[in-house]
Amino acid sequence: GAGVSQTPSNKVTEKGKYVELRCDPISGHTALYWYRQSLGQGPEFLIYFQGTGAADDSGLPNDRFFAVRPEGSVSTLKIQRTERGDSAVYLCASSSPGGGSGELFFGEGSRLTVL
Amino acid sequence: GDSVTQMEGPVTLSEEAFLTINCTYTATGYPSLFWYVQYPGEGLQLLLKATKADDKGSNKGFEATYRKETTSFHLEKGSVQVSDSAVYFCALSPVIKAAGNKLTFGGGTRVLVKP
Repeated sequence: GAGVSQTPSNKVTEKGKYVELRCDPISGHTALYWYRQSLGQGPEFLIYFQGTGAADDSGLPNDRFFAVRPEGSVSTLKIQRTERGDSAVYLCASSSPGGGSGELFFGEGSRLTVL
Repeated sequence: GDSVTQMEGPVTLSEEAFLTINCTYTATGYPSLFWYVQYPGEGLQLLLKATKADDKGSNKGFEATYRKETTSFHLEKGSVQVSDSAVYFCALSPVIKAAGNKLTFGGGTRVLVKP
């Protein structure tokens, strides 16, 4: 498709389980971002990839969170030993090479609920 | 660090009313400023932007002017429609482009326009 695609759209898991969230960016976009949006709040930055490498992972809350982008396209956000506080909508965004207009293109998000 | 503060909602208006959503920021130098909008059931999308002081961004009848002296980027629309009901987010992107388009968002303002 033409836009950023995220799967699954909804994920319910139990405390302590492992979760993977997938993002397929717009074709040709070299930059990819993960954000987390808690209920009633604005998105918070987690990590930013330029190509295959993580250019800035300063927003990852702790070492239970990890993200990869092995081929410079699809990215996976991995959460180990999930906790109830991890419940949120996880947003992925991409942008064109060089940043273009500064615009990020967002997916619809993956809603994670940890019981 | 960078931060964005915007007025809390919800804001409830009648159709054709005037809308203002206040946004102020704290950042080093001259960041780029954005308004993103999230319509029900959709992903975040760029509404308008401004990249330097005194620039005015405009789109779909909405306007915002980059005011360096007051560190503000207030969003306005002269006559709202029911279709403008959404959550609006003010955001900034840092001056240093090595950070990519890493955005810092405000908390969002929900707007409900009644017929």
